[in-house]
Amino acid sequence: GENVEQHPSTLSVQEGDSAVIKCTYSDSASNYFPWYKQELGKRPQLIIDIRSNVGEKKDQRIAVTLNKTAKHFSLHITETQPEDSAVYFCAASPSTASKLTFGTGTRLQVTL
Amino acid sequence: KAGVTQTPRYLIKTRGQQVTLSCSPISGHRSVSWYQQTPGQGLQFLFEYFSETQRNKGNFPGRFSGRQFSNSRSEMNVSTLELGDSALYLCATSASDTQYFGPGTRLTVL
Repeated sequence: GENVEQHPSTLSVQEGDSAVIKCTYSDSASNYFPWYKQELGKRPQLIIDIRSNVGEKKDQRIAVTLNKTAKHFSLHITETQPEDSAVYFCAASPSTASKLTFGTGTRLQVTL
Repeated sequence: KAGVTQTPRYLIKTRGQQVTLSCSPISGHRSVSWYQQTPGQGLQFLFEYFSETQRNKGNFPGRFSGRQFSNSRSEMNVSTLELGDSALYLCATSASDTQYFGPGTRLTVL
């Protein structure tokens, strides 16, 4: 089955700096890659997703890149703010409405 | 539209008991997936239901089961509870695109 690895497990950046989180996946059939943000005690919320026919997608300060050949995808957050502090999960799926395999999460802390 | 709702939000049970959790999807969403979240194992897929049929299944023992009703609401059941079943159980629903998560049910097994 699919296996998703996520790095780093913790990331501390200063406000205004950029943050990058990387994930690799194993199943070449995966074609949908969402990123979720989970604040303490809250539900995971989708922040951005990308499909295999796209190499990059951007939404304001957040961007995701996908390299299907190397089987890795990355989340980029620019101009980080304290409210970006949370745990971020990457995931992979063979379709948009089926089994999501999650990475182990990255705890991002944005310090003033 | 109203978001995904889960009931109850918190449960305390003892070993050997069984428990039933409920998930009501966003209107129009026919796919319901269940996930278990623990500090040690992270987010793990349990199963997915679509149009009252189990479409995908994760690697959990048979003590974990689920079903979906004609209105797309879904329930999951855990029988013969073990201490290790203590977790946040999340459901996620989907129309044909993104999965949206409910707030979860926090299950504590004593």
